[in-house]
Amino acid sequence: AQSVTQLDSQVPVFEEAPVELRCNYSSSVSVYLFWYVQYPNQGLQLLLKYLSGSTLVKGINGFEAEFNKSQTSFHLRKPSVHISDTAEYFCAVTRGVSGGYNKLIFGAGTRLAVHP
Amino acid sequence: NAGVMQNPRHLVRRRGQEARLRCSPMKGHSHVYWYRQLPEEGLKFMVYLQKENIIDESGMPKERFSAEFPKEGPSILRIQQVVRGDSAAYFCASSTDRGPGNEQFFGPGTRLTVL
Repeated sequence: AQSVTQLDSQVPVFEEAPVELRCNYSSSVSVYLFWYVQYPNQGLQLLLKYLSGSTLVKGINGFEAEFNKSQTSFHLRKPSVHISDTAEYFCAVTRGVSGGYNKLIFGAGTRLAVHP
Repeated sequence: NAGVMQNPRHLVRRRGQEARLRCSPMKGHSHVYWYRQLPEEGLKFMVYLQKENIIDESGMPKERFSAEFPKEGPSILRIQQVVRGDSAAYFCASSTDRGPGNEQFFGPGTRLTVL
């Protein structure tokens, strides 16, 4: 079975500062990894995903994440945040096997609060 | 192309009543997933359906919960005899294909409150 741990439940940061949201996963099989953002009272929007290839993945809104297989991590980063980045961020995994389907396993979420 | 639509957005039920949550996937999407988000928690998988078929319901409580995705019309998540612990946000997502790399597009959710 797969599991996801998001190490920080809340991350406060000042506008234009860099930020890293941490995600570790556990799995006995290969995985695909995702980061989603949820704005208040809205559904989830995909920020980026890692399926294979380059371990550095670039997504929307200036976010990027790096897959580290040895550390089983997929941390999300942004070099300079904006007020509008204030939201809840979820890391998710799914089994990366052919013939499988996209049953997502989510972490508990990290609330990013950007202050002026 | 409209996104995934869910209705109602907010639903209030008294204990013992039934709750029916509807999800219309994006046009051309025949795969639907339901997730539940309890307060202060991440989303938990409930059920995966293709048109007219339940593929995986391993995340659904064994009693009171059921889901369908008929040939015509939206997918329905039904909760019978609701209890306070059913209060949560219920999200559905749709995709074009079943492969694990296919993006799931999420709806805005239905927030169920059980009094």
